[in-house]
Parts: sequence; structure tokens; C-alpha cells
Amino acid sequence: KAGVTQTPRYLIKTRGQQVTLSCSPISGHRSVSWYQQTPGQGLQFLFEYFSETQRNKGNFPGRFSGRQFSNSRSEMNVSTLELGDSALYLCASSLVVIGNRNTEAFFGQGTRLTVV
Amino acid sequence: AQSVTQLDSQVPVFEEAPVELRCNYSSSVSVYLFWYVQYPNQGLQLLLKYLSGSTLVKGINGFEAEFNKSQTSFHLRKPSVHISDTAEYFCAVSDHAGGFKTIFGAGTRLFVKA
Repeated sequence: KAGVTQTPRYLIKTRGQQVTLSCSPISGHRSVSWYQQTPGQGLQFLFEYFSETQRNKGNFPGRFSGRQFSNSRSEMNVSTLELGDSALYLCASSLVVIGNRNTEAFFGQGTRLTVV
Repeated sequence: AQSVTQLDSQVPVFEEAPVELRCNYSSSVSVYLFWYVQYPNQGLQLLLKYLSGSTLVKGINGFEAEFNKSQTSFHLRKPSVHISDTAEYFCAVSDHAGGFKTIFGAGTRLFVKA
């Protein structure tokens, strides 16, 4: 069974540009979450999508957005990039079944974004 | 709101020595606890999880953790570490309020010395 796939693995962008990151979840998983990891702030939750709907959002500015497609693949977009957006962006998928809290997150290898 | 506190930011230990990485959590509802490991430039890999049942949970790579409800702790242990265990370890709790997300501790860097 294929794991969570994130593309690209590495990305270098210039301040002011925008970027789109992609995540393909494990087959059958409908919940996809995004996290930002930096040395100073650790792992911070960005948002969660389930069945193409954003259910949960962390405390990030509106420049950070996402979406989920009908096949559960998800994209994350960051507009007007700032130097502080340099981070490892991790995607996780989960087999969330309504009424069952027996859930864990499976993580991709991440996309390393560097803003210069 | 749920939260996780990892009590040590760094733990240096000699090879073949035992190690304990400490984790405390706070939650007002039933908890589901996890330990993840992260190697350099990699994603997170699940080491073990506590969902219910036995409070002693065994995971991969010889790690185990004990869920202690009265002390709200979920410490990770390994009786004998290897150089290859050098990595960042994250304690986490799942949160089903308004969707699903995982709340992580700040991480503990385990450094195994020869």
C-alpha cells in the first residue's frame, strides 16, 4: 500500500512569489491535514480537509490556503511568500470514520520550502 | 483544549544505555496518544500508539511507552539504545473536536553517543 506522497520534495522561491504544494493521501483516507515545521515553532497545524471541506484551521494568516479534490488529493498554497515561510511542510492522511476515534495520522516526507 | 508537554528538549545518552523520554498531556476528554520519530529531512514515522486497553504499549524498534492516567503521562522508553536511534521524537495527542488534527509536543532530540 503506497504511503502519503508529497511533491515536490524541495522548493526554492523568492519573496513575494506564491507556491503550491501537493499531497496524495493513502488510498481510502479522506482526511488530509497540513503542518508547518520550523526549528523555532515546532510542528504547527495549518488545516484539515475531509471530503473536500475544510473542517479545521490553525492560526495562520490568510496567505495560507488549501483545497481537497474529489479523489482526496490535497494542495496547499502560500501567496506573497515571506522569508519566515521557510519550513518543512508536512502532509498527513488519516482514515477518519465518523463515530470512531481510533485514528492515527500517517505522514509524508514533507516539502522543504526555502524562501530567499 | 488538549496540549502536550515534552519535558526534555535534548537527551544525550551512550550507546546500549537505557533511555526515557518524558511526555505529559492535558485533556478534558478521552485521549489517544502517540509517539512519532523523525529522522533528518524526513517525515514523521509512528513508533507506537495508545488508544485503549493495556497501559503498556510496545512499538517498533524496541520502544515502549506507558500510559499513566493519574499522572497524565506517556513516557517513552527503550532498554538499550543504538546509534541509529539518534533522531527527534514527538509525543502527540489526537484531537477530534471540530474535525481531526494531531497536537504535537515540542520534540525531544535523542542523541546517542558511541
